[in-house]
Amino acid sequence: AQTVTQSQPEMSVQEAETVTLSCTYDTSENNYYLFWYKQPPSRQMILVIRQEAYKQQNATENRFSVNFQKAAKSFSLKISDSQLGDTAMYFCAEFQGGSEKLVFGKGTKLTVNP
Amino acid sequence: DTGVSQDPRHKITKRGQNVTFRCDPISEHNRLYWYRQTLGQGPEFLTYFQNEAQLEKSRLLSDRFSAERPKGSFSTLEIQRTEQGDSAMYLCASRRSGGRNEAFFGQGTRLTVV
Repeated sequence: AQTVTQSQPEMSVQEAETVTLSCTYDTSENNYYLFWYKQPPSRQMILVIRQEAYKQQNATENRFSVNFQKAAKSFSLKISDSQLGDTAMYFCAEFQGGSEKLVFGKGTKLTVNP
Repeated sequence: DTGVSQDPRHKITKRGQNVTFRCDPISEHNRLYWYRQTLGQGPEFLTYFQNEAQLEKSRLLSDRFSAERPKGSFSTLEIQRTEQGDSAMYLCASRRSGGRNEAFFGQGTRLTVV
């Protein structure tokens, strides 16, 4: 069974600093995708960044980047130059095409302090 | 089209009543998903449609739950004889086949059973 583990229930960071959120997953599949979603308070979940498992190069999207360690089944998210608007719940998720569902971790609540 | 929309945003109901939620996906998206999110947890998969066909259901979807997607457009999720344990956020997501496997989420319907 797929499992996604986020070991940090809460984190905080000062504005303009860098923070890394951890995620590990467990799958026996070779074809899968990994995602980080952001869920601001009382707002909808939006995609932050995605990684195809077959790509070795780490994905980057502006201030957001991942450290994808396939052998270790680790998929951490780095947020550089943190902004107040980054305050949100962050969910790591795995998608296996064969099962057509996203499996989410429990989330990390990130607070960016001024 | 501005994204996935869900109605209502909030629903309070008495135990034993039936409730129905609606999801309107992004118009060109043929795949539609329902997830449930309880406090402190990540979303959990409930069911998935490809066009009008319901292709996968989670064991979380008891006999009291039914979902439809007539004509492959909007979808409804009905809960019969609600229980307090049904209190949760119900999220809808959609995506198109192929592409980047990116699912777009609605803002959710928060159900409170009293």
